[in-house]
Amino acid sequence: KAGVTQTPRYLIKTRGQQVTLSCSPISGHRSVSWYQQTPGQGLQFLFEYFSETQRNKGNFPGRFSGRQFSNSRSEMNVSTLELGDSALYLCASKSFSAQGDRTGELFFGEGSRLTVL
Amino acid sequence: AQSVTQLDSHVSVSEGTPVLLRCNYSSSYSPSLFWYVQHPNKGLQLLLKYTSAATLVKGINGFEAEFKKSETSFHLTKPSAHMSDAAEYFCVVRAMNYGGSQGNLIFGKGTKLSVKP
Repeated sequence: KAGVTQTPRYLIKTRGQQVTLSCSPISGHRSVSWYQQTPGQGLQFLFEYFSETQRNKGNFPGRFSGRQFSNSRSEMNVSTLELGDSALYLCASKSFSAQGDRTGELFFGEGSRLTVL
Repeated sequence: AQSVTQLDSHVSVSEGTPVLLRCNYSSSYSPSLFWYVQHPNKGLQLLLKYTSAATLVKGINGFEAEFKKSETSFHLTKPSAHMSDAAEYFCVVRAMNYGGSQGNLIFGKGTKLSVKP
């Protein structure tokens, strides 16, 4: 079974540009979450999608947005890039067990490393 | 509100000696707790999880953690470190949404484990 696939793995942008990152979850997983990882702030939750609907949202400005498609693939977009947006962006997918959310394990991709110059 | 504190940012051990990575949590509810590991330039992998079953949780690669409610701790241990254990380890608590539904994961700042030959 293929794991969580994130593209691109590395990218460099300049301030003011926008970027779109893609995440393909494990086959059969309908929940996709996004996290930002930086040396200073650590891992911070961005948002979670389930069946094309945003279920949870972290404390990030509106420049950060996401969406999920009917095949569960997800994209996140960051507009008007700032230097501080340089980070590793991690996507994670989850299936739902019979017990519900509580035991659902998150499977992470290897991340997209964004550098903003 | 839920939170998690990893007490050491860096732990260094010799190969073959025990590993102890400390984690304290804060939660108003019976928490779900996890330990994840991240090797360099890789995504996160679940080591183990506590979801109100047995208080001593066994994970992969010989790791285990004990949930101690009285001490609000969930320390990660391994009897004998291996060179391949060198990585960053994250203690994680699952947030609870208003109304009691399961929320997103809240990550600790991470503990970098170094293993000396």
